[in-house]
Amino acid sequence: AQKITQTQPGMFVQEKEAVTLDCTYDTSDPSYGLFWYKQPSSGEMIFLIYQGSYDQQNATEGRYSLNFQKARKSANLVISASQLGDSAMYFCAIGGDYKLSFGAGTTVTVRA
Amino acid sequence: GAVVSQHPSWVICKSGTSVKIECRSLDFQATTMFWYRQFPKQSLMLMATSNEGSKATYEQGVEKDKFLINHASLTLSTLTVTSAHPEDSSFYICSASRRDQPQHFGDGTRLSIL
Repeated sequence: AQKITQTQPGMFVQEKEAVTLDCTYDTSDPSYGLFWYKQPSSGEMIFLIYQGSYDQQNATEGRYSLNFQKARKSANLVISASQLGDSAMYFCAIGGDYKLSFGAGTTVTVRA
Repeated sequence: GAVVSQHPSWVICKSGTSVKIECRSLDFQATTMFWYRQFPKQSLMLMATSNEGSKATYEQGVEKDKFLINHASLTLSTLTVTSAHPEDSSFYICSASRRDQPQHFGDGTRLSIL
């Protein structure tokens, strides 16, 4: 069984500042992937970033970076230089064998 | 551009009606598609895994006869909510998967049963 825990239900961040979204996980699979998705109020799920469990380097995609600490079973998302358009719900997910298990999500509100 | 198309995006219908939602992968052949349900401000709950040419695998607690899933081709899966009632009102979202790629999601369907 796989489990994702996101302990921050909501966060406020000032425009142009960085924000870190916490994610911890639990799994018995030796190989797995960690994903972050963004869900704006319109509802669509937008893939942001992926980290494989055997990847040596932390994943980065533009303003998104994933702080992967395997021993601590954490996969925090860092959004740098926040923009108003970053206001959304963010989900951490863990996947093995294609299926994804999602965390409860964190709502991020970017203030001007 | 969108790689997964979901239709319709919004449905309002009377109680007792059956509603069909389509999920299409536009530019790749999806061996597996997933159907999720999401209540407001909550996470996505996996309902079923749909494999092309075989029966869907339902998660525990999901009624197979209520939520009919068909995956007739590598690019199309459908979810039919049979005899829908107000408690079936929710946001339904599909995703398509292929090997070594993250799941790509459709834009979701907001279902409101009156």
